[in-house]
Amino acid sequence: GIQVEQSPPDLILQEGANSTLRCNFSDSVNNLQWFHQNPWGQLINLFYIPSGTKQNGRLSATTVATERYSLLYISSSQTTDSGVYFCAATEYNFNKFYFGSGTKLNVKP
Amino acid sequence: NAGVTQTPKFRVLKTGQSMTLLCAQDMNHEYMYWYRQDPGMGLRLIHYSVGEGTTAKGEVPDGYNVSRLKKQNFLLGLESAAPSQTSVYFCASSYWESSEQYFGPGTRLTVT
Repeated sequence: GIQVEQSPPDLILQEGANSTLRCNFSDSVNNLQWFHQNPWGQLINLFYIPSGTKQNGRLSATTVATERYSLLYISSSQTTDSGVYFCAATEYNFNKFYFGSGTKLNVKP
Repeated sequence: NAGVTQTPKFRVLKTGQSMTLLCAQDMNHEYMYWYRQDPGMGLRLIHYSVGEGTTAKGEVPDGYNVSRLKKQNFLLGLESAAPSQTSVYFCASSYWESSEQYFGPGTRLTVT
């Protein structure tokens, strides 16, 4: 299966700061998603983005499929953004979804 | 729509006991998945189903069995629980193989 690597593993921000999270994958993918796991353990879909750019409020994501990476941008961070951010990908012709190990974000007031 | 639901939310088992986790979705999705999440790690796929009556193995299938008798339900069974199966279990569903996956709230299982 494909390898999914996320960086940085840990990130501490002051409220109001911006950040960029990165996801690299080892092969071509036909599905790339970003999730936020909140402190209560719930997984929240952020973006379904196998290619291109999407924006949702203060969050945006870009996937450059030909270069095998995806970026998640968080602007004007808030304490409620704290938690773990995962990217996950599916390779072509397979049903299996591979998760990265996550970026743990702590936004301080 | 309730989306994806899981029961129970919490469970404590003794080594050797059996149990079944239930996942239900009301989005008419064809594909359903069971994952486990261990501390500090991402999710790993246990088993999945591409439609009613079909199941297949994921990354970490040993010690688990699954069934998909109805399109909306996907059951995960532990026949003889072991402490190594202490984890948080997530169910997910998607319309087709490369479409967006939707996750349930998780089941926290402890095996003593």
